[in-house]
Amino acid sequence: DAGVIQSPRHEVTEMGQEVTLRCKPISGHNSLFWYRQTMMRGLELLIYFNNNVPIDDSGMPEDRFSAKMPNASFSTLKIQPSEPRDSAVYFCASSLEGVYGYTFGSGTRLTVV
Amino acid sequence: GENVEQHPSTLSVQEGDSAVIKCTYSDSASNYFPWYKQELGKRPQLIIDIRSNVGEKKDQRIAVTLNKTAKHFSLHITETQPEDSAVYFCAAQGASGTYKYIFGTGTRLKVLA
Repeated sequence: DAGVIQSPRHEVTEMGQEVTLRCKPISGHNSLFWYRQTMMRGLELLIYFNNNVPIDDSGMPEDRFSAKMPNASFSTLKIQPSEPRDSAVYFCASSLEGVYGYTFGSGTRLTVV
Repeated sequence: GENVEQHPSTLSVQEGDSAVIKCTYSDSASNYFPWYKQELGKRPQLIIDIRSNVGEKKDQRIAVTLNKTAKHFSLHITETQPEDSAVYFCAAQGASGTYKYIFGTGTRLKVLA
């Protein structure tokens, strides 16, 4: 099992550019979570999907952020336009409904300059 | 709203001593409490968890206790080793039907050789 796979591992972009982060959950997992980690705010849940359907997006900071899960094996988190305050590590995690315990991906370190 | 408080934020112990990290949660319907260890630059990894129908769980040198009445749960690490140095996060899952975790703010544990 390859685990949760995120890409890219690092992204440096200029303010105003569009950024797309990608995640492939563990095969068979049907819940997927996007978290953002910063020193100031810790681990914040942005959005989570269950069976490809967004269930709770109350953590999405503003309209600049959007997330999709077109199928069970792929999700994207998009920021458009990006701002320096979006700089953080973005983690994707997946789990099997009814079986506890997330598995996190390796994260994407985003730097917006 | 849902909240998890974690203390202390930093903890230094001598190798071989014990370490205790405490968390409190606000949602009385929470029924699952995982603990994650995050080494520098790496992903959070699940190290132990406890469900609401159990008061204590142990796995070798780590143990977790839960007091549902007081809405407290704690991580205990005995015979600490330098490789235990990391940031530890507690989390609480919401009521049945929601799979999102609310994370504590983390405890940076340093084990001094």
